[in-house]
Amino acid sequence: QQQVKQSPQSLIVQKGGISIINCAYENTAFDYFPWYQQFPGKGPALLIAIRPDVSEKKEGRFTISFNKSAKQFSLHIMDSQPGDSATYFCAASNPSNTGKLIFGQGTTLQVKP
Amino acid sequence: ETGVTQSPTHLIKTRGQQVTLRCSSQSGHNTVSWYQQALGQGPQFIFQYYREEENGRGNFPPRFSGLQFPNYSSELNVNALELDDSALYLCASRRDRANYGYTFGSGTRLTVV
Repeated sequence: QQQVKQSPQSLIVQKGGISIINCAYENTAFDYFPWYQQFPGKGPALLIAIRPDVSEKKEGRFTISFNKSAKQFSLHIMDSQPGDSATYFCAASNPSNTGKLIFGQGTTLQVKP
Repeated sequence: ETGVTQSPTHLIKTRGQQVTLRCSSQSGHNTVSWYQQALGQGPQFIFQYYREEENGRGNFPPRFSGLQFPNYSSELNVNALELDDSALYLCASRRDRANYGYTFGSGTRLTVV
């Protein structure tokens, strides 16, 4: 019940295209769903996050869509750029369990020029 | 804010040895968590400290231990190193338990030979 499943494992997108990464969870007690971006040799950096009381959150080119009934959420990167090439992790947090982050397995995104 | 800094950046140890990894959190960040990230995987929660007391632990054996100090620094100690302990160890901190916004350090790459 603590798992977060992420897909696809890898993704190749042309510059200017839309990158879509999906995640699914089981534990309905999760109430915070962040996305992290990680470059090689660096730690994860918070990209955008959503709480389950909204269905969508947009920050610049990055949008989270959240489907509470399906227990799924996704990251959309609009107008993808080569600089977006990185590994992306979804995560979920349960406030009654220290607030620790449960991470997905990660998606390696390559944006081709 | 100075961010989260970890030291050393890289470390090579022999199986059976002990290792101490260090983290310096941002001023005012009372909560620090440690994560283990194996190659190609998402980070896995090791444990968390809040105001110098452990308040959560993941599925890691007791040879993984930690400390948090009043000056917002913390340590991760691993005894009796095993080959499978080779990973990137990440420190993450946040201001308090009500704030979910973790800031991650760049990690320590530990190699056990």
